[in-house]
Amino acid sequence: EVQLLESGGGLVQPGGSLRLSCAASGFTSTNSAMSWVRQAPGKGLEWVSTVLSGGDTFYADSVKGRFTVSRDTFKGTLFLQMNSLRPDDTAVYYCAKISHGYPYYWGQGTLVTVSS
Amino acid sequence: DIQMTQSPSTLSASVGDRVTITCRASQSLNSWLAWYQQKPGKAPTLLIYKASSLESGVPSRFSGSESGTEFTLSISSLQPDDFTTYYCQQYKSFPITFGQGTRLEIK
Repeated sequence: EVQLLESGGGLVQPGGSLRLSCAASGFTSTNSAMSWVRQAPGKGLEWVSTVLSGGDTFYADSVKGRFTVSRDTFKGTLFLQMNSLRPDDTAVYYCAKISHGYPYYWGQGTLVTVSS
Repeated sequence: DIQMTQSPSTLSASVGDRVTITCRASQSLNSWLAWYQQKPGKAPTLLIYKASSLESGVPSRFSGSESGTEFTLSISSLQPDDFTTYYCQQYKSFPITFGQGTRLEIK
């Protein structure tokens, strides 16, 4: 059974940093494209970043240059390093396994709150 | 970037009704469109992929169709569990983009 478990969320001050983790099980994550999708409180879904199985990475313009997606090939863990955080980065962050181009399996999400 | 315009933002209906939600893409998607259902406090779940393919385990009252750059999600004979929020999402190219969402509420 595929499971995705995000962690690392919390309260951080504007300008601060946070690293999210997504522990994957039930499949070989290094052979899979993985994405981060976020949802601000009461708002819609916003794609954040994708890393393809070959290692290519893509970012939304709103996070480009501040966020970095990576993976630990041995532990099967996906990461999102978030720097220079702003209040509008406040959201629940979901990791998702991509299947045939679209998010298929989703984690339960982890809440990031950027506030002073 | 491909823009997705989803309508309506809110839809009121009754149990047993048939409803339609629409997404319009700013360019051709070659059918690379998915529909998700999201319940409060939960992650989205896949309903439809490739514009009209029903995900395994999803009730057959859900269906998707496309006409050019316009995509529709239809729900026939609404059930109480269906009153929640729905999103379309294009996956033809990066940046991946979602529609703004449609909240389906009980009339």
